[in-house]
Amino acid sequence: NAGVTQTPKFQVLKTGQSMTLQCAQDMNHNSMYWYRQDPGMGLRLIYYSASEGTTDKGEVPNGYNVSRLNKREFSLRLESAAPSQTSVYFCASSEMHAGGPEQFFGPGTRLTVL
Amino acid sequence: TQLLEQSPQFLSIQEGENLTVYCNSSSVFSSLQWYRQEPGEGPVLLVTVVTGGEVKKLKRLTFQFGDARKDSSLHITAAQPGDTGLYLCAPLYNFNKFYFGSGTKLNVKP
Repeated sequence: NAGVTQTPKFQVLKTGQSMTLQCAQDMNHNSMYWYRQDPGMGLRLIYYSASEGTTDKGEVPNGYNVSRLNKREFSLRLESAAPSQTSVYFCASSEMHAGGPEQFFGPGTRLTVL
Repeated sequence: TQLLEQSPQFLSIQEGENLTVYCNSSSVFSSLQWYRQEPGEGPVLLVTVVTGGEVKKLKRLTFQFGDARKDSSLHITAAQPGDTGLYLCAPLYNFNKFYFGSGTKLNVKP
């Protein structure tokens, strides 16, 4: 099992450009998440998908859109990138346990917006 | 947004020393998770605590959930260089959403 995979690993954009970050999981999990991590801060939830066909906003959704293409894939789109979106982006999927969902994270995409 | 504080922000110690890091909030949580993140990688779940006062051990790591379920601590005994990383606490604030703290960055020197 590959777990959670993310592409690309690194990306540099100019202000105003668009791009899509891809995420896929092979663990048959229902829930998937997109987070961003900035220096000195923890992970902040951008969007969340409880199951195929549903998405919900997290803490910081402005400037982003998501698509839950199927159970395996959850993509994050930046329509018009801004320097404030320079960050490391993590995708995660989860399965339920007694204490709550256990999240499995991908390796991250490091995005720089110039 | 829940107010969540992790302390200390940074910790640099020698191999063999003990340490404790803290996660505090003014809110009550149904459960709380601790993750470790190594440079260039995503976080990895260490433990989930659910019951107030609960203590869980994972080899040299001891996790405690406060009686009022507002705070938690992680104690490491005889730290090793392999313990180096960013330790994140993540209380559950919705059925299946977590709020992550900013973390404690631990460096264990050989």
